[in-house]
Amino acid sequence: GENVEQHPSTLSVQEGDSAVIKCTYSDSASNYFPWYKQELGKRPQLIIDIRSNVGEKKDQRIAVTLNKTAKHFSLHITETQPEDSAVYFCAATSGGAGSYQLTFGKGTKLSVIP
Amino acid sequence: GAGVSQSPSNKVTEKGKDVELRCDPISGHTALYWYRQSLGQGLEFLIYFQGNSAPDKSGLPSDRFSAERTGGSVSTLTIQRTQQEDSAVYLCASSFQGGLAFFGQGTRLTVV
Repeated sequence: GENVEQHPSTLSVQEGDSAVIKCTYSDSASNYFPWYKQELGKRPQLIIDIRSNVGEKKDQRIAVTLNKTAKHFSLHITETQPEDSAVYFCAATSGGAGSYQLTFGKGTKLSVIP
Repeated sequence: GAGVSQSPSNKVTEKGKDVELRCDPISGHTALYWYRQSLGQGLEFLIYFQGNSAPDKSGLPSDRFSAERTGGSVSTLTIQRTQQEDSAVYLCASSFQGGLAFFGQGTRLTVV
């Protein structure tokens, strides 16, 4: 089955700096890569996703890049703000024949220092 | 409903008792996941249902844990003879054919 590795497990940045979280996956057939943000005491919520036919996707201060050859994808947050502090999870979907399964990384705790 | 609904929101139970946690997925979603999240930890995969296929039970930590999904909709996670280490937030998520997944608010289980 799919295996998703996520690094780093914790990340502290100064407000205004950029943050980068990296994930690798094992199944070359994986074709959908969402990122979730989980604030303290709340449920994980999707912030951005990318499909395998796209190399990069941006949404305001957030961007995701995908390198299918190397089987890794990254989340980039620019101009970080205190409200970006949360746990971020990457995920990859693999499978076929109508049976796709989402596999999550172990999460990155991002702290943005004012 | 509009989103994934879980009940109860909180459950306190005595060690050794059985508990049932319920998940009502988004209508039409074929895939349903259960995860366990201990305080400050990541998402521990428990079980995955997809349509009429046999569920992936590879994440269930012991035979005290079981789950059903009736009629391809509502799912129940049952923990028998609860132990203190079972205390955690249990999250359910649903998606259409394994794509974008939406999470419920979770059930916080406390075993005393």
